[in-house]
Amino acid sequence: SQQGEEDPQALSIQEGENATMNCSYKTSINNLQWYRQNSGRGLVHLILIRSNEREKHSGRLRVTLDTSKKSSSLLITASRAADTASYFCATFTYGNNRLAFGKGNQVVVIP
Amino acid sequence: EAQVTQNPRYLITVTGKKLTVTCSQNMNHEYMSWYRQDPGLGLRQIYYSMNVEVTDKGDVPEGYKVSRKEKRNFPLILESPSPNQTSLYFCASRPGTGGAGANVLTFGAGSRLTVL
Repeated sequence: SQQGEEDPQALSIQEGENATMNCSYKTSINNLQWYRQNSGRGLVHLILIRSNEREKHSGRLRVTLDTSKKSSSLLITASRAADTASYFCATFTYGNNRLAFGKGNQVVVIP
Repeated sequence: EAQVTQNPRYLITVTGKKLTVTCSQNMNHEYMSWYRQDPGLGLRQIYYSMNVEVTDKGDVPEGYKVSRKEKRNFPLILESPSPNQTSLYFCASRPGTGGAGANVLTFGAGSRLTVL
C-alpha cells in the first residue's frame, strides 16, 4: 500500500541552488529509502536511513528522519541539470516485508 | 553487470490477446516484485515473490498472474489484457535477507504497455 507522501509535488530550481523534498508516512517503519527516476526509466536507489538514525549523507545528498513526526527530508545541494528527475520515498517495515512508495516528487533543475 | 532485465520494453497489443512480460535478475536475489506506474498514482505493487514457488498479491493484482519456477525469473502474465492495463511496468528484485541492504530494490528499465 502507498504510504509515503512527498511534498512538494513539483519543484523547479536554478542550477546551483539546493533542492529540498519532504516525505511523510503513517505507520512505524524500520527504514526509509529515497529513489530517483529519470523520465520513463527504472528507479535507482539513492540512500537508506534506518529508523534509529536521524541524519545521513551521501555525496551531495542529505537525508533526515524524524520518527516522532513520521517524516523525512531529502536535500540535494548544489543542484545540477542532471539532477532533473522524479524522487520517491519508500518505507520498509519488517512486519509486512514490503516497500511502500510515495507518489513521487518532480524536480526540474534549470541550467 | 548486476541487473534486472525485462522484455519487451515497448508493446502495443489489443484487448484480450494474452501476453507475457519477462523479468530476469542475475544477482541471486530471493525477492522479486512487479509494479505498475500510472500518472498521479505513483508505483503500485502488483505481485511479489519471496522465493521460488512463493508468490503473493500486492495492491493491484486483478487481471495479472505471475509464476516463480526459478529464482532468477519472474514473468508477469496478462491473460486477457484490457485498456485499463495500459501502463508502465517495472520488475524489481532485492536480496531479501542480510541486513538493511537486503531491502534495497534494483529495478528493471521498464516495459511500456499499451492495450487498444
